[in-house]
Amino acid sequence: QVQVVESGGGVVQPGRSLRLSCAASGFTFSDYAMHWVRQAPGKRLEWVAVMSYDGTKEYYADSVKGRFTISRDNSKNMVYLQMNSLRAEDTALYYCAKSNGYCTNGLCYANYWGQGTLVTVSS
Amino acid sequence: DIVMTQSPDSLAVSLGERATVNCKSSQSVLNSSNNKNYLAWYQQTPGQPPKLLFYWASTRHSGVPDRFRGSGSGADFTLTISSLQPEDVAVYYCQQYYSIPSTFGQGTRLEIK
Repeated sequence: QVQVVESGGGVVQPGRSLRLSCAASGFTFSDYAMHWVRQAPGKRLEWVAVMSYDGTKEYYADSVKGRFTISRDNSKNMVYLQMNSLRAEDTALYYCAKSNGYCTNGLCYANYWGQGTLVTVSS
Repeated sequence: DIVMTQSPDSLAVSLGERATVNCKSSQSVLNSSNNKNYLAWYQQTPGQPPKLLFYWASTRHSGVPDRFRGSGSGADFTLTISSLQPEDVAVYYCQQYYSIPSTFGQGTRLEIK
C-alpha cells in the first residue's frame, strides 16, 4: 500500500536551516509529483511546494519562495525540503504527500499523506 | 491567490442525520477547456493526517463510503454526509488546485449533537 514517511523535524533557532526528508513506498515513485503541506498548531492546512514526477518543475507558496527548496531522488524514492532562513511562523507540522499524477503544471491534489514531522522555530 | 471560505466553521449533527459543509472560492475553479472543477475535499480526524475524500469536486476517492457526496461547480461547492456516523467526527477542508498557490479553506469542524 502507499506509504510516505517524513523525518528530519526538530527545534531550530530563527535564521538557521533544516532539511526534511520523505521516504515513499508502495507505488511507482518516479511517476508521481510530490507535495509538502504544513499545518501550524490550530491553523488551516497550508500548501508549501510541489515537485513534478521527474524533478524538472517545482512550485512554491509565496511565504517560502526563495527560502525553501524541494528536491527529489527517484533512485531512492525520496523527496526533500531544504528550509533556510527559518522564521517563527514556519513552526508547523510538515506533511509529505503523494500527488495524483505527473503534475508538470503544479495543478494537482494530494491523494496520500504521511503522518508529518514537527518543525519548531524558537530561540 | 484564490481565497477558499468554508461555512459553517463548526457544525453539530445528530447521528444518522445529514451534515452539509459549504465551500466558496473567490474565483471560479472550473477549467473550461476540460470542464473540470479543480476542487478537492479532505477529512482530518483528531491526531491524523488529512485523507482525500473527493477530487474534481465530485469524484469519490477509493474507499470513501457512499454516504459522502461532493457537488457544485464554478465557485460554490458542497460536501454532504447523508447519515452521520461516529467515525465522521473530523475537520473537513476544501482545497483548490486550479492555480498556484493551491489554497485550503479554514476547515469545518463536525461534531455529534
